[in-house]
Amino acid sequence: AQTVTQSQPEMSVQEAETVTLSCTYDTSESDYYLFWYKQPPSRQMILVIRQEAYKQQNATENRFSVNFQKAAKSFSLKISDSQLGDAAMYFCAYREAGTASKLTFGTGTRLQVTL
Amino acid sequence: DAGVIQSPRHEVTEMGQEVTLRCKPISGHNSLFWYRQTMMRGLELLIYFNNNVPIDDSGMPEDRFSAKMPNASFSTLKIQPSEPRDSAVYFCASSLGMTSGGAETQYFGPGTRLLVL
Repeated sequence: AQTVTQSQPEMSVQEAETVTLSCTYDTSESDYYLFWYKQPPSRQMILVIRQEAYKQQNATENRFSVNFQKAAKSFSLKISDSQLGDAAMYFCAYREAGTASKLTFGTGTRLQVTL
Repeated sequence: DAGVIQSPRHEVTEMGQEVTLRCKPISGHNSLFWYRQTMMRGLELLIYFNNNVPIDDSGMPEDRFSAKMPNASFSTLKIQPSEPRDSAVYFCASSLGMTSGGAETQYFGPGTRLLVL
């Protein structure tokens, strides 16, 4: 079974600084998708960024980028120029490709942004 | 697009009562997922449908839980009878399913916060 591990329960970053959230996963599949979701206090799950395993290039969405290391099964999220609105829970998630299948989530990292 | 719509947003009920949660997926999406989020267990899949057909219901906790998808634009998750341990946030998500080009992304509704007293 696939597992997703987020080893940082909480992280803190100063406004305008850069922070990296870690995620590792375990799978025997070669084709899959990885995601980072943000959950602010409103509880809404918001997609931040996604990565296809077959793509070597790391995904980027504005201030958000990932470092995808397929061999190491690592998928970290970097937030640049952190803003107060980035404060939230961040969940790493895995999904097999090829079929409509479930997301397997990590336990989340709570990010605090300080002035 | 309005996104995934869930109702009610909040529900408070007493133990033993029936609870029905509703979901309208994004138009054109053919896969629908029900997740539950609790402090103890995190986010876990309860059931998902593809083209209105249940594909995997192994996450449904017990017979008190049932889900239906009578058509492509509506799904329900029912708990009967409800128990205090069912208190959680229930999310519905939808995706395009098996097509390509970003279709593997699941889009979540705002969730229903359920409290069973």
